[in-house]
Amino acid sequence: KAGVTQTPRYLIKTRGQQVTLSCSPISGHRSVSWYQQTPGQGLQFLFEYFSETQRNKGNFPGRFSGRQFSNSRSEMNVSTLELGDSALYLCASSWTSGRVEQYFGPGTRLTVT
Amino acid sequence: DQQVKQNSPSLSVQEGRISILNCDYTNSMFDYFLWYKKYPAEGPTFLISISSIKDKNEDGRFTVFLNKSAKHLSLHIVPSQPGDSAVYFCAGVPNTGNQFYFGTGTSLTVIP
Repeated sequence: KAGVTQTPRYLIKTRGQQVTLSCSPISGHRSVSWYQQTPGQGLQFLFEYFSETQRNKGNFPGRFSGRQFSNSRSEMNVSTLELGDSALYLCASSWTSGRVEQYFGPGTRLTVT
Repeated sequence: DQQVKQNSPSLSVQEGRISILNCDYTNSMFDYFLWYKKYPAEGPTFLISISSIKDKNEDGRFTVFLNKSAKHLSLHIVPSQPGDSAVYFCAGVPNTGNQFYFGTGTSLTVIP
């Protein structure tokens, strides 16, 4: 079974621009969660989607948004990029929403200059 | 507000010895905990979990201990192997929801 894939793997953007990251979950998985990893902060939860509905949302500004499609693929969008948005963005999929094992993708490294 | 804390950013251990990674949490609603391991340029991979109804869970060389009164959990790796060198994250899940709260990670180096 193919793992979680994330595209692109690396991205360089300028302050003020917007960016869209993509995540394809493991086949059959219906839940996708997004995390931001920065040095010293660990993995910070952004949001979770299950069956195209946002189930949970972390403590991030409204510039961070996401969506999930009927095939469970998910996208995350960040508008008006700031230098502090530079991070590794990880998505994780699981077969359902809940306290089940999450399978992570390799992440997208976003650098904002 | 960091609800899960890993106060040791790094740890070095000799091959064959025990590695003990620690994690503290502040949210008394957490009733499920997980440990993940992360190699560079890869996403975290699940290692082991424990429910709050238990105080110990074992899987091969990996054992997780939970002390609910102290709000503390630890991961023991015995014996440690060079391939265990990675960043280890612990996570807690509250009984009120399904969000995973991760710690900041501990970088383990196993010296051959």
